[in-house]
Amino acid sequence: DTAVSQTPKYLVTQMGNDKSIKCEQNLGHDTMYWYKQDSKKFLKIMFSYNNKELIINETVPNRFSPKSPDKAHLNLHINSLELGDSAVYFCASSPGKYTEAFFGQGTRLTVV
Amino acid sequence: AQSVTQLGSHVSVSEGALVLLRCNYSSSVPPYLFWYVQYPNQGLQLLLKYTTGATLVKGINGFEAEFKKSETSFHLTKPSAHMSDAAEYFCAVSDRGTGKLIFGQGTTLQVKP
Repeated sequence: DTAVSQTPKYLVTQMGNDKSIKCEQNLGHDTMYWYKQDSKKFLKIMFSYNNKELIINETVPNRFSPKSPDKAHLNLHINSLELGDSAVYFCASSPGKYTEAFFGQGTRLTVV
Repeated sequence: AQSVTQLGSHVSVSEGALVLLRCNYSSSVPPYLFWYVQYPNQGLQLLLKYTTGATLVKGINGFEAEFKKSETSFHLTKPSAHMSDAAEYFCAVSDRGTGKLIFGQGTTLQVKP
C-alpha cells in the first residue's frame, strides 16, 4: 500500500525524446508536487497542484508540462529531453499548504 | 525570501557517538521546520517537524530537534548513532507565502564502526 507511487523508477532515454513520469497518491491529499534532485542532491520544487489546479510553477523550461487528471494523480511530461535533464524526479503530496510532504521513491532519469 | 543552510555537507561519527546535524533558517515570520532522511536510492522520509508549541520535538528513530528562535536554528540530534543512521539528511522550511518546502543542501551522515 504505497502512499505515493511513481512509475517508472528508472528511465534511460536518448536526447530529443519525449517521456512521461506518472505519480499517484492514495493519501487523500489535496496538494501534489514535483521536485527535482540534481547530482549534488539539491532538491528544488518544480510544480505544485492543489485540487488539480496549478499553484506553483517555478522557473522550469516549457519542455516540462505537468498534468493532473484528478487530485490523486500528477504526471510530468518532458519534451525534447536534454542531457541536463538527467536527475532524480520526486513526486510528493501533502494534506495542507504548510504541512509536511510525503515523497514517492523517485524516478531516476538518465538522458544519453 | 526564506532559505535554509545546513552547516557541513558531510558529518562522520563513530557508532554510539552523539549525532549533531546543524540547520539554520532565514524567515521573516515564525517558520514551519522539518527534517527529512533519504536512504540510498529511496525517497525522502519525514523524521520530525516543528510547527508551533513545544520547541523540542521528537521524531522517529530516536532523533530530536530543538527550535531556537533567537539563533534561527533547528539542529537535529541523536544521542547514540547506529550504523543504520548512515544516510542523507535534509532540513526544510515551509514557505509561509506559497507553502512550498525549501530544502537545505543536505548533510551526508557517515557512521563508522
